[in-house]
Amino acid sequence: NAGVTQTPKFQVLKTGQSMTLQCAQDMNHEYMSWYRQDPGMGLRLIHYSVGAGITDQGEVPNGYNVSRSTTEDFPLRLLSAAPSQTSVYFCASTQGVGTDTQYFGPGTRLTVL
Amino acid sequence: GENVEQHPSTLSVQEGDSAVIKCTYSDSASNYFPWYKQELGKGPQLIIDIRSNVGEKKDQRIAVTLNKTAKHFSLHITETQPEDSAVYFCAASISGAGTALIFGKGTTLSVSS
Repeated sequence: NAGVTQTPKFQVLKTGQSMTLQCAQDMNHEYMSWYRQDPGMGLRLIHYSVGAGITDQGEVPNGYNVSRSTTEDFPLRLLSAAPSQTSVYFCASTQGVGTDTQYFGPGTRLTVL
Repeated sequence: GENVEQHPSTLSVQEGDSAVIKCTYSDSASNYFPWYKQELGKGPQLIIDIRSNVGEKKDQRIAVTLNKTAKHFSLHITETQPEDSAVYFCAASISGAGTALIFGKGTTLSVSS
C-alpha cells in the first residue's frame, strides 16, 4: 500500500490563479480530511468527507472547494488563490469511526505571490 | 467553537530526562485524543492515542493520561533520546464531524545529549 499520497509536493501560484491539490489513498478508507498548517498555528481543518459523495466544512473552509466522487480521491480546489492561502496542506484518511487512527500524507507546500 | 490548548510551546530537556506536554480541550463530547509527532518536512505521525473510556495508556517510553472531568490530557516521554526531538501535537475529536480532529498548536521538543 502506498498509503496517502499528495501531489504536487511544492507549488507557487500568483494571486487569482486556480489549482487543485490532489489526494489519494489506497486503503479503502471511508473518512478523508484536509488540513492546513501555518507556523505557530498547528493544523486546522478545512473540509472533510465521511464517504463518497459526502463532504462538509471544517474550521477554515473559505476559499476552498472539495468533492468526493470516489472513495480513493479527495481533491482540494483553490478557485482564486490569495496570499493568505500560503501554507502547507495535509490530507488525511481514516478507516472510519471507531477505528480513528488518521494517516497523513506528506503534504503540499503552497506559496501564493 | 471547539478549542485545544497545548503547553508548553517549547521544551528543552537533557537526554535521559522526562518530558511532559499538557493539553486541555473544550468540547465535552470529544472522545478520542491522539498525539502526533512531526519531523521537519514530513506529515504528522501518530505516536499514541487514548479514548474517553480509558484513563491511562502506555507504550514503552511513551504514556498518555486523560482526565475527562477536568478536560485535560498529557503526554509523558521517559528516558528521552535525541531522536525524540520534533514537534508534538495533541488533538481531540470533533463531535459530529466523522473522524476529523482539532489540533493544539504544537510543542517543539529539543533533547540535547
